[in-house]
Amino acid sequence: EIVMTQSPATLSVSPGERVTLSCRASQSVSRDLAWHQQKPGQAPRLLIYDISTRATGIPVRFSGSVSGTEFTLTISSLQSEDFAIYYCQQYNEWPLTFGGGTKVEIK
Amino acid sequence: QITLRQSGPTLMEPTQTLTLTCTFSGLSLITHGEGVGWVRQPPGKALEWLAIIYWDDDERYSPSLRSRLIITKDISRNQVVLTMTDMDVVDTATYYCVHRRAYSPVTNWGQGTRVAVSS
Repeated sequence: EIVMTQSPATLSVSPGERVTLSCRASQSVSRDLAWHQQKPGQAPRLLIYDISTRATGIPVRFSGSVSGTEFTLTISSLQSEDFAIYYCQQYNEWPLTFGGGTKVEIK
Repeated sequence: QITLRQSGPTLMEPTQTLTLTCTFSGLSLITHGEGVGWVRQPPGKALEWLAIIYWDDDERYSPSLRSRLIITKDISRNQVVLTMTDMDVVDTATYYCVHRRAYSPVTNWGQGTRVAVSS
C-alpha cells in the first residue's frame, strides 16, 4: 500500500498570506496525485488532480506542483473560506490512499 | 450534474451488519470507466478507502477490511450497496459514497452518513 505523508499537520495562517502544503508518497505515483478540501461538517471536494489541474470551479489562487518526490499545494492569498483541512490522494494503484491531512487554521 | 445520496442506519450495536445504499444520478454504471465506491472517516481522523465497483463489474476492496466487505450494484435503480459485517466500536465513522472514473481521483462525494457503533 502506498503511504501518503502530509506536512505540517496544522498550519496557522493569517488571511492574505501565501500557504504551501506538502505531500510525499512512499513510492512513485506518476502524475496520479490529487488534493481535496474539507470544511467542518462538510464532505470533501476535489480541488486539484493530475498534480496541477484545477477541478471545475476552483479559483486560480489554488495551484499544485511537484519537485522530485514532494507534491505541493499552494494557495497564493488565503481567503476566509479557505480555512479547512486539505488531503492529498494518490490514484495510481489500489488502494487509493489519502494523506493524513493538513489543517489550515486562522492565526 | 452528478449527485450521490447515501442512506442507512445511524446507530448500530457491535457484531451487527451494516448496509449502506448509495443512490446516484448524472452518471451510469454501464458507461465505460465509471465507478462508485465508499470512503469512511472516523471522527477527527483521515479518510480511508473501503471499496469500489466499476462499470465492468470489477470490485476492489481495502486489503485490511476485505473479509468484512461486499459491494454490489443495481443498474436499474442507479444504486450501489455496501455491506460490512461484524461492526465494532472502531467502525464509528462518517461513510461517504464517492464517484470516480478509471485513472482519475474521487471527483464527486456524497454528503456522508454518520454511523455510530455502541453497545
